[in-house]
Amino acid sequence: KNEVEQSPQNLTAQEGEFITINCSYSVGISALHWLQQHPGGGIVSLFMLSSGKKKHGRLIATINIQEKHSSLHITASHPRDSAVYICAARPLIQGAQKLVFGQGTRLTINP
Amino acid sequence: DVKVTQSSRYLVKRTGEKVFLECVQDMDHENMFWYRQDPGLGLRLIYFSYDVKMKEKGDIPEGYSVSREKKERFSLILESASTNQTSMYLCASSALFYSGRGTQYFGPGTRLLVL
Repeated sequence: KNEVEQSPQNLTAQEGEFITINCSYSVGISALHWLQQHPGGGIVSLFMLSSGKKKHGRLIATINIQEKHSSLHITASHPRDSAVYICAARPLIQGAQKLVFGQGTRLTINP
Repeated sequence: DVKVTQSSRYLVKRTGEKVFLECVQDMDHENMFWYRQDPGLGLRLIYFSYDVKMKEKGDIPEGYSVSREKKERFSLILESASTNQTSMYLCASSALFYSGRGTQYFGPGTRLLVL
């Protein structure tokens, strides 16, 4: 069983829909990252959070430390949001500088 | 803007060749990472370095070595390339996490094909 699990693995939606991608982790963490990878493109860091909620434009990331769960929401989705979204956890180990990655969620937004 | 650059976007090599992949970052980051990404397997850490000349094995270090002689440059070496090393290789850098600035910045990737 992976230490970081994402769901769903694939998600197809229509433009304008509200999107939720989930991430559950089994280890204690000091931070949770959300990353975005466009087809053929590099990876961009969207959020790093350790509690509560962060918002950037139409993207919202939340984390519940007690439940070991994080969600990434996209409001008013657009075809340009089509990408792979990756959740990564930073383990709560002294000096840990590494991330543990989920498998990614492939999001396709149709016009 | 943070910039992480990789020496090649595409590379074709033959089995048994020695392959060097170079990564350079311009943000004076302490940490640098090498990952490979394969369909269905996600990102897997090969090696990382938290300081010049310091390195630590990741999850899949076999068949790879690394070199960090200068803070801005982190090289991945395939001593004798094999077909199962055909993959997308991604470099990343970050400040030390306890500085509160642990966001990882990724390079564009190198797609390596070993024939």
